[in-house]
Amino acid sequence: DTEVTQTPKHLVMGMTNKKSLKCEQHMGHRAMYWYKQKAKKPPELMFVYSYEKLSINESVPSRFSPECPNSSLLNLHLHALQPEDSALYLCASSQEARRETQYFGPGTRLLVL
Amino acid sequence: AQKITQTQPGMFVQEKEAVTLDCTYDTSDQSYGLFWYKQPSSGEMIFLIYQGSYDEQNATEGRYSLNFQKARKSANLVISASQLGDSAMYFCAMRERISSGSARQLTFGSGTQLTVLP
Repeated sequence: DTEVTQTPKHLVMGMTNKKSLKCEQHMGHRAMYWYKQKAKKPPELMFVYSYEKLSINESVPSRFSPECPNSSLLNLHLHALQPEDSALYLCASSQEARRETQYFGPGTRLLVL
Repeated sequence: AQKITQTQPGMFVQEKEAVTLDCTYDTSDQSYGLFWYKQPSSGEMIFLIYQGSYDEQNATEGRYSLNFQKARKSANLVISASQLGDSAMYFCAMRERISSGSARQLTFGSGTQLTVLP
């Protein structure tokens, strides 16, 4: 089973709101990732967690705050977002950060008004 | 400079025919991995096939095969017997080492939108 789940599927928020995206996997993977994808573009890496520790932060603005409560869960906390942050947010996991085959979740479509 | 190049923004293929999606890459690593993902309009990125840089044989997964030409740095995806459900965006990606040492990341190409015609 290569399932990664993400909630919610859709999210509309105002620029003053605080919301969170959730990602979950039960494959025993030790690396988890957040990507941002704009329409008709490839995914852009935001964060990588390896063994529940943040190992990569690709110069993401502080209004995005990741959290890895345990090896199965990954959250992305959102605060004071801008309209240009509207995008598809994809979560992925892999066996280890060194190894291959990232499996992606269905994504959360975020609209910031 | 782009590390993954997909030169076909859009492709059309007739149902039941084969189609080749092009991908070229650039890396100085000796050890790297190449992937193809499919992204339907629903948004989910679906893993299709993987080729390691040291693999001598081309990877195959059902109707998908990867035409790996290491010297030419190309990793083209071949889909045989196209189906209407194959209509989607296809991304080529490369896993390579990054500057921070042990961690690796995926670099994606710009994608090819495939449309299968009935």
